Formats: sequence, structure tokens, C-alpha cells
Amino acid sequence: SAVISQKPSRDICQRGTSLTIQCQVDSQVTMMFWYRQQPGQSLTLIATANQGSEATYESGFVIDKFPISRPNLTFSTLTVSNMSPEDSSIYLCSVDLGKSYNEQFFGPGTRLTVL
Amino acid sequence: GESVGLHLPTLSVQEGDNSIINCAYSNSASDYFIWYKQESGKGPQFIIDIRSNMDKRQGQRVTVLLNKTVKHLSLQIAATQPGDSAVYFCAENLNTNAGKSTFGDGTTLTVKP
Repeated sequence: SAVISQKPSRDICQRGTSLTIQCQVDSQVTMMFWYRQQPGQSLTLIATANQGSEATYESGFVIDKFPISRPNLTFSTLTVSNMSPEDSSIYLCSVDLGKSYNEQFFGPGTRLTVL
Repeated sequence: GESVGLHLPTLSVQEGDNSIINCAYSNSASDYFIWYKQESGKGPQFIIDIRSNMDKRQGQRVTVLLNKTVKHLSLQIAATQPGDSAVYFCAENLNTNAGKSTFGDGTTLTVKP
């Protein structure tokens, strides 16, 4: 398994501002992912964070709104830019250790509220 | 795009009873399925998985059944306990999209003492 931590655990932000969420893993992993979970809903994949290259974004998500960094194999950041109340969600990072077929481990999430 | 959905949004069972949570998926090319449990304030936790070349897999108190003919997945929890109360998600993966899961809508399981 993997131990994944996220910072901050929660935040309340004003519209128009940006927030950077950090994800730290206790082991080196090739694949890291960022998901969004809107209130009372399921998880939607935002992007795959690739080490040493640009992130790969899913349909409906763009780099200008959700810039991602992946400086090494244990760390990634997701920035939610120019926030609006519609961005209020839980943001989760996950990793695929590659030891079990496609099994993913998730961080505890960052609960974001935009006023 | 492709979607994975659940039949029932909520399920309430008596402690000690068996629980069955259902999931319908629409992408016939999916070849790997996972059930996750999400407790309040936490990220999803892996419960059990199954590959498309299987129709049943058992774990500790949990069993996953896969019916590819009707694209249906179920999670059975034996002797449900209060600690099983959570939201349960099914997720599907394509072989070419390692680590990228498409999640269903989730079923909230409540266990009554």
C-alpha cells in the first residue's frame, strides 16, 4: 500500500483567488492522478500527473484552470485557479503502485469551499 | 462519454444481515472493475477487484460478481457491521488506461444496530 497525505485538508477561499493543493506519497510512484468529487457526487478524473512532462487532462478540464506540477516521483501539486463557487469540491490525489492491476490508493482529500 | 452507474442511491440494512450493492456499466471494453468504500471525510479505499475473465471473486466477508452479458457488477457484504456504513463506488478501467478509473455514482450503505 501507500501512505498519501494532502495539504491543506480544507480551505475556504474567496472567488477569483487560486489555491494550490499538495500531494505527498511515502514511496516513489510512476503514476499520480487528481480527481474532483463535487458535493454528494462521485469522483471525476481531472488529469494524470506525469513526472518530467506536462499533465494529461481529461475532457472538460484545462491546464489554465487546473495547472499541475510533478517535480519528482513522490510529490505533485494541483492549483485551482480563478476560483468560483462551482469549484467547491473535494480534490483527491491518487497513485497507482503498479503492483496490483490498476489498483489505486487515494489521499484523504482537500475540501475546498469557494465563497 | 462512457459511464458507470448504480441502481440504488441508498441502502439500509440491519446489522448482521447480508448487503448487496449493484452497479451497471456501459463500456463493454472495460476489463477491470474495482469496488471502493468511502467513509466520511476520507478518500476511497480499495475493497476488492475483479478482471473481466472472471465472474466471481471472494474476499474477507465480501464477494464481487460480474455479469458481462448484461454489464452488471455487484458487491455482496456478509454479516454487515456498523463499520461497513459508508458510500460504496464501483469503478471500471480499460486495459490501456492503467490507473485511470471511471467511477459510478455511489451507494450509501447504512447499517442499523
